[in-house]
Amino acid sequence: QAVVTQEPSLTVSPGGTVTLTCGSSTGVVTSDHWPYWFQQKPGQAPRTLIYDTNNKYSWTPARFSGSLLGGKAALTLSGALPEDEADYYCLLSYPAAGVFGGGTKLTVL
Amino acid sequence: QLLLQESGPGLVKPSETLSLTCTVSGDSIGRDNNCWGWTRQSPGKGLEWIASIYSTIGTTYYNPSLASRLTISVDTSKNQFSLQLTSVTATDTAVYYCARHRGATGVDIWGQGTMVTVSS
Repeated sequence: QAVVTQEPSLTVSPGGTVTLTCGSSTGVVTSDHWPYWFQQKPGQAPRTLIYDTNNKYSWTPARFSGSLLGGKAALTLSGALPEDEADYYCLLSYPAAGVFGGGTKLTVL
Repeated sequence: QLLLQESGPGLVKPSETLSLTCTVSGDSIGRDNNCWGWTRQSPGKGLEWIASIYSTIGTTYYNPSLASRLTISVDTSKNQFSLQLTSVTATDTAVYYCARHRGATGVDIWGQGTMVTVSS
């Protein structure tokens, strides 16, 4: 089974910009992996932010964007707010199953 | 508004079968051949994709590492879908989330989750 990798932790200053990445042990991440991004705050269920690489939901703040960058899927947060402090997970699709990354703990400080 | 609610026993004994049900409200589970699935999260750990099922054609997808113990099913008459995991051990202790999927693997709308502990 493929392994999906994310930075274990990142820190961003309030108002700053940070990019989280999502890599695959099988090689380059492409749009055919249908990358998803999720935000999870302590004690809460995850919330889906981005689907199919770069598509947003009505509830996704405009400061979040998804892309493919350097062979990986990427989630960019521009203009970080204290409320963005959370765990972020990506999900990649492989034949017949999905695989989550290990998650990135984002600190806004 | 689409809502999903997990239900099932909070405590399961080792070697027994874990059975969970997800009740969907706000939409018909069989509409447009939607896909529905389960994800879990062990205490203090990350998310693990478990399984999914297309509601009308019944096609299923399983995490290969769990497939031999898993069954996912759907009951359109009750607007519910279910998960069974056999021969559980302490490593199956987790919060189990049901969700609507976008396609077979993409997790779209989440339930609140239900904690299941495997212990004697």
